[in-house]
Amino acid sequence: EAQVTQNPRYLITVTGKKLTVTCSQNMNHEYMSWYRQDPGLGLRQIYYSMNVEVTDKGDVPEGYKVSRKEKRNFPLILESPSPNQTSLYFCASSLSRGRTEAFFGQGTRLTVV
Amino acid sequence: GESVGLHLPTLSVQEGDNSIINCAYSNSASDYFIWYKQESGKGPQFIIDIRSNMDKRQGQRVTVLLNKTVKHLSLQIAATQPGDSAVYFCAESGSGYALNFGKGTSLLVTP
Repeated sequence: EAQVTQNPRYLITVTGKKLTVTCSQNMNHEYMSWYRQDPGLGLRQIYYSMNVEVTDKGDVPEGYKVSRKEKRNFPLILESPSPNQTSLYFCASSLSRGRTEAFFGQGTRLTVV
Repeated sequence: GESVGLHLPTLSVQEGDNSIINCAYSNSASDYFIWYKQESGKGPQFIIDIRSNMDKRQGQRVTVLLNKTVKHLSLQIAATQPGDSAVYFCAESGSGYALNFGKGTSLLVTP
C-alpha cells in the first residue's frame, strides 16, 4: 500500500529539548516536503527536498532543519523547540514539485511547553 | 505573494443535497489545481485534480469546475453524505513551484 508514515503521532516536549519527527515514503518519490498546519493559516510549507541531498527552504523555515540522506526518508529536526512551534505537522511526498498530487502522512501533533 | 482563498470558511448542507465549495486563486501562471479532503485527525487526502486545459472534470460523486477567466475553482459533491463532513482545501501549482494551499472550508453534513 502506497503511504507516507510519520512518527510520532503525538509529542509533548519542553522548550529547548531537541527532537526529530521521522517521515518515510514507499512510493519512490523524488519530492518530499514538510508542512505545518495552524488554525486560520492553513498548510504552510516548512522545507522541501527535490531529491537525495537536495533540500531548500519553504515559506516558514525558521527554527527547523531537515536532511535527505535516503530517498525514502525525510526527517524534520527541531534543534531548540519553542512554544510557537506547537502545531500539527504533515510530511508529504510526490513525483515532482508541482503539477502533481501530493500524498500526506497522518500528521504529528507537537506541543512545546 | 500570490494567494489561494476560499469564499466561505464553513458550509452546512443537508444529507442528500449537493454541495458546492468555491475557491479563488490569483496566480495567472497556475496551470494545475487540486482538491483535498481532510477528516478530523487525518492528513489531507486527494479528491480530484484538473489541469488548465480543461474546464471540468468528474470523479465519483465529485466534479471540479475551472473558470480561468475569473480565476475560480469549485468542487461539487453530489448527494452529500455524512462521511463527506470534513475540511476541504483547494491548491494550485504551476511550472517550478509547489502546491499553494488555501485555508480550507469546513463542510458539515446534517441529517
